[in-house]
Amino acid sequence: ETGVTQTPRHLVMGMTNKKSLKCEQHLGHNAMYWYKQSAKKPLELMFVYNFKEQTENNSVPSRFSPECPNSSHLFLHLHTLQPEDSALYLCASSQGQGGEQYFGPGTRLTVT
Amino acid sequence: RKEVEQDPGPFNVPEGATVAFNCTYSNSASQSFFWYRQDCRKEPKLLMSVYSSGNEDGRFTAQLNRASQYISLLIRDSKLSDSATYLCVVNEGTYGQNFVFGPGTRLSVLP
Repeated sequence: ETGVTQTPRHLVMGMTNKKSLKCEQHLGHNAMYWYKQSAKKPLELMFVYNFKEQTENNSVPSRFSPECPNSSHLFLHLHTLQPEDSALYLCASSQGQGGEQYFGPGTRLTVT
Repeated sequence: RKEVEQDPGPFNVPEGATVAFNCTYSNSASQSFFWYRQDCRKEPKLLMSVYSSGNEDGRFTAQLNRASQYISLLIRDSKLSDSATYLCVVNEGTYGQNFVFGPGTRLSVLP
């Protein structure tokens, strides 16, 4: 596979469920990002990892828990979400912090 | 005040038209700037980075005015395939970590 991949592409979960989103980049980049895109709102940066170390957490609620085991993989663990968390969750990677970002296709999440 | 603002749109233009999008940002310490395009229900795709000297890529020209904190994108000879939402992105972080996206400007190129 090439580029940035995300699984699952669609996810429906109840408020008491625990699920994880997965992102993998095949570009040899060292920085990875999680974004949230809600309807009618701009993309919001959630987390930044550079060489597996978290360098940014934009005041994201603790019900979202990121994990970056290596520079190619990024996870977003979800638990006790709220309906307002329903959105498109996008992963991106870049070569170096602040470089051009390449996005995965996203996971469309619906919380019921 | 929003950190990154864009023309509200939508822009509906005929094929072959020239169209310009504007973007302003509030953080004067911003380091780097980009234009992305996003098709309906798809992920954003990088269109071009924006350099201080201005840069051109085929029919697309981007300009940056740091003094006015203003970025522009010009599309010449627009094609039907240019129809998309155009996102202005500003990297505000001191160490290049805080990307702020504008709300986007929707373009429809009509036959």
